[in-house]
Amino acid sequence: QITLKESGPTLVKPTQTLTLTCSFSGFSFSTGAVGVAWIRQPPGKALECLALIYGDEDKRYRPSLKSRLTITKDTSKNQVVLSMTTMDPVDTATYYCAHFAPSGHAFDMWGQGTMVTVSA
Amino acid sequence: QSALTQPASVSGSPGQSITISCTGTSSDVGSYNLVSWYQQNPGKAPKLMIYEGNKRPSGVSNRFSGSKSGNTASLTISGLQAEDEADYYCCSYAGSSTWVFGGGTKLTVL
Repeated sequence: QITLKESGPTLVKPTQTLTLTCSFSGFSFSTGAVGVAWIRQPPGKALECLALIYGDEDKRYRPSLKSRLTITKDTSKNQVVLSMTTMDPVDTATYYCAHFAPSGHAFDMWGQGTMVTVSA
Repeated sequence: QSALTQPASVSGSPGQSITISCTGTSSDVGSYNLVSWYQQNPGKAPKLMIYEGNKRPSGVSNRFSGSKSGNTASLTISGLQAEDEADYYCCSYAGSSTWVFGGGTKLTVL
């Protein structure tokens, strides 16, 4: 079965770069249309899709944050990494990674999420 | 890319039916039948409930159904149960391999 798990720092300082890792199992990233997304949720607020990387290396970013985001995948390690520069307290959120299923055009499996606080 | 519009809250009594709307534009909801719905309980990750507008993943109750009219998609929950109380989010394809979520709706079972 498909599983995903996020890892990374729980606390970062303003202006620092956040690097999060999504470790997954149960699916192959060699299929072009399969994807892994990073989705965040500020406390008490809605979900926001930050970035999505497809098996064919196609990458998509949230337009308003595109200049700060980089998503990469390491197929040999079954990992997807998100980097987000110039962190600000408004970036405080729970960050989820999720599997994108091309057969259903939906995020069918999610990690448990990791809470990141941005504070001096 | 603007968030899809959902009502902040809806409520219903056990056994009743409720509908949550999700309004987008002709660039997302209106152009594609690729809306999905997610249920999120407090402190938990979202769970896929509906995909491709009206399809249910294995294990999801048939009390959950989806539909679309124009730029608005809807999630209907029939025979409301206490366990349905949660936050619900819609998500739509927005073209160019991008996806946009709604603002979320808190469902209260009275």
